[in-house]
Amino acid sequence: GENVEQHPSTLSVQEGDSAVIKCTYSDSASNYFPWYKQELGKRPQLIIDIRSNVGEKKDQRIAVTLNKTAKHFSLHITETQPEDSAVYFCAASINDYKLSFGAGTTVTVRA
Amino acid sequence: NAGVMQNPRHLVRRRGQEARLRCSPMKGHSHVYWYRQLPEEGLKFMVYLQKENIIDESGMPKERFSAEFPKEGPSILRIQQVVRGDSAAYFCASSQAGTIVNEQFFGPGTRLTVL
Repeated sequence: GENVEQHPSTLSVQEGDSAVIKCTYSDSASNYFPWYKQELGKRPQLIIDIRSNVGEKKDQRIAVTLNKTAKHFSLHITETQPEDSAVYFCAASINDYKLSFGAGTTVTVRA
Repeated sequence: NAGVMQNPRHLVRRRGQEARLRCSPMKGHSHVYWYRQLPEEGLKFMVYLQKENIIDESGMPKERFSAEFPKEGPSILRIQQVVRGDSAAYFCASSQAGTIVNEQFFGPGTRLTVL
């Protein structure tokens, strides 16, 4: 099955700086890569996703890049704010329903 | 739109008891997914259901766990004879159709504690 690895497990950044989270996947057939944000005790919420026919996607301060050859994808958050503090999960899917998640990155934005 | 609803939010069971977790998908959604999240870990896929059908249960433990999504009413994840290792947060998600086309929306989760 699909195996998704996520790094780093924790990330502390100064407010206003950028944060980058990287994920690798094992199955070259994976074709959908969402990113979820989960605040403490709350539900995961989709923040951005990318499909395998696209190399990069941006939504305001958040961007995702995909390198299919290397089988890795990354989340970039620019101009970080305290409300960006949360756990971020990457995921990959080789069909249209089963998401394989990374272990998560705890992001702390220092004011 | 009330979103995906799960109940109970917290459930405490003693070893050997049964746990029943309920999930009501968003209005208009006919696809339901269950995930388990252990502390400090990501979500693990358990099962994918459509109305009255189990499509993929490859992530379900072979014993004690079952899931259903009846024609009427919520989806149910049932854990029989719970053990301490079953303690986790169980999230369900729903979508209008397959994930490639439609986002999976998550519920607030049920936190199961087995004493």
